[in-house]
Amino acid sequence: GAVVSQHPSRVICKSGTSVKIECRSLDFQATTMFWYRQFPKQSLMLMATSNEGSKATYEQGVEKDKFLINHASLTLSTLTVTSAHPEDSSFYICSVKSPAYEQYFGPGTRLTVT
Amino acid sequence: AQSVTQLDSQVPVFEEAPVELRCNYSSSVSVYLFWYVQYPNQGLQLLLKYLSGSTLVKGINGFEAEFNKSQTSFHLRKPSVHISDTAEYFCAVTYSWANQAGTALIFGKGTTLSVSS
Repeated sequence: GAVVSQHPSRVICKSGTSVKIECRSLDFQATTMFWYRQFPKQSLMLMATSNEGSKATYEQGVEKDKFLINHASLTLSTLTVTSAHPEDSSFYICSVKSPAYEQYFGPGTRLTVT
Repeated sequence: AQSVTQLDSQVPVFEEAPVELRCNYSSSVSVYLFWYVQYPNQGLQLLLKYLSGSTLVKGINGFEAEFNKSQTSFHLRKPSVHISDTAEYFCAVTYSWANQAGTALIFGKGTTLSVSS
């Protein structure tokens, strides 16, 4: 399957600052990537669908101005958490969709906002 | 709307015992089904998938799952578990019709499998 990387793996930031998380598809050109959020001991919640060259599609309840997604190339999508607050602390996971309908997941990014 | 129900939030078993993790989905249309495993602080790894064909699907690490359309189930099984199988397991579904390239997976809430000696 496709290899997906995320950077950074862990990040701690102060409240009010912005944090950018990168998701790279290392061996697969991905027109569609997904961003998920996972709270401790819970399932993955889809935040948005990232489409190469176009605007992301956000799920209901996800603030698009707070969670900025950019999918500028077929191998890179970025998620920027703007003006982060402690409640934004979570595990963020991206995935790449293959033509075979399965998804390949990145290793995740642990964000802690202090 | 589609939903996925994992009936057991936690499943404790002893090493070398068999295990079944249950998953039911609700959908009036054809779906593709997946099982993923997540180890602590890591992303998700695909265990197996059902797209079409044989209803018994074999995956990695000795796991298998059976698609039962009449019962809308996709239960995961392993005949003999190891300590290393301790992890979180997620069942997921997506639509199977064409041109749904942008359709995301819908996940169940997960089942924690704890294997002890």
